[in-house]
Amino acid sequence: AQSVTQLDSQVPVFEEAPVELRCNYSSSVSVYLFWYVQYPNQGLQLLLKYLSGSTLVKGINGFEAEFNKSQTSFHLRKPSVHISDTAEYFCAVGAQKLVFGQGTRLTINP
Amino acid sequence: GAGVSQSPSNKVTEKGKDVELRCDPISGHTALYWYRQSLGQGLEFLIYFQGNSAPDKSGLPSDRFSAERTGGSVSTLTIQRTQQEDSAVYLCASNRDSTPPYFGPGTRLLVL
Repeated sequence: AQSVTQLDSQVPVFEEAPVELRCNYSSSVSVYLFWYVQYPNQGLQLLLKYLSGSTLVKGINGFEAEFNKSQTSFHLRKPSVHISDTAEYFCAVGAQKLVFGQGTRLTINP
Repeated sequence: GAGVSQSPSNKVTEKGKDVELRCDPISGHTALYWYRQSLGQGLEFLIYFQGNSAPDKSGLPSDRFSAERTGGSVSTLTIQRTQQEDSAVYLCASNRDSTPPYFGPGTRLLVL
């Protein structure tokens, strides 16, 4: 069985500050890991993915994530956030059907 | 190219009525997925199609829910005798091979 835990339901940060959204996973098989972003009243948009290879994955909008097998983590980071990054972020694991975490709401304060 | 499209974008219905939700996947995507997103429940997997077959329908919450896919393309999710707890956003996604699933904008269902 696979599961995902997003450790923070809400993360408030100031504009231009760095941010880290935490994700831990559990899987008995090789994993594919994903981060998706959901803007208000929209569907999910892929930010980045880890399938294999380099453990540091770069995605769109300046986001990156690092796969850490020993800690079973896939935390998402951005060095400097903008107001437009306000959204809900979902970590997911799976090969075909995805298992999602509960989401982290990122709010950016000016 | 066009992404995953879903219709209707919003649906309001009365308790006990049947509803049909439609998903048009990206052309050439062999796999199609339905998820449900509701407050307090997060994103729940409902059913997965490979071609026209559904090898995994483990997430369908009750026998009031059914789905089909025809021509390896369009899929319809049907909810019979809707209940208020069915109110949610229903998301469709598609992919091929090992590419990540691409999601549609969702159908917001409200059961009164």
